[in-house]
Amino acid sequence: QVHLVESGGGVVQPGGSLRLSCAASEFTFSNFGMHWVRQAPGKGLEWVAFIQYDGSKMYYADSVKGRFTISKDNSKNTLYLQMDSLRPDDTALYYCAKDPNPYDFWGGYFDQWGQGTLVTVSS
Amino acid sequence: VLTQSPGTLSLSPGESATLSCRASQNIRDSYVAWYQQKPGQAPRLLIYGTSMRATGIPDRFRGSGSGTDFILTISRLEPEDFAVYYCQQSSRSLPFGPGTKVEI
Repeated sequence: QVHLVESGGGVVQPGGSLRLSCAASEFTFSNFGMHWVRQAPGKGLEWVAFIQYDGSKMYYADSVKGRFTISKDNSKNTLYLQMDSLRPDDTALYYCAKDPNPYDFWGGYFDQWGQGTLVTVSS
Repeated sequence: VLTQSPGTLSLSPGESATLSCRASQNIRDSYVAWYQQKPGQAPRLLIYGTSMRATGIPDRFRGSGSGTDFILTISRLEPEDFAVYYCQQSSRSLPFGPGTKVEI
């Protein structure tokens, strides 16, 4: 059973930085692309970023482009999200999610999700 | 942009639910996925490729549609089916709809 565990959330001031991690297990992490998806309190879901299985290509939502960086360390089975220049509207529960397509561009949906880590941007 | 209707659906166990998801434009080669989310839990994939059930999803969940109009049908609602349901399109930026709450 795929297991995804996010960590690194917390309270940060506007303009600050935070790095999220997602530890993956029970599947061959190096074969799959990974996503970050967020959910503001009481709101819907928003895709944030995707990284290809080998880390060679990354894609971002317009709302975070230039401020967030997604990366993955296949030797550590870990996905990361470096968040800089944080804004109050970045406050959300951040989920890592697995892409279903091995060795390929994204499958266009999310077949496994972690439980999320909460990021609060407030002064 | 995806819209979902109704915003809230009030039903009883045993009844059927029909949830609608409409895309603002017909994007070629794009598909819809559906997710279920219960309070305090992560979303769970129900349907992908518009009509394919994910592993372990009971056959009372059925996805259909094409073009700009997509439907999730839940037959014979069980108590555990009361939740929020999101549709999501496989196009650029992987947009989600705002959700439909199915309540008792």
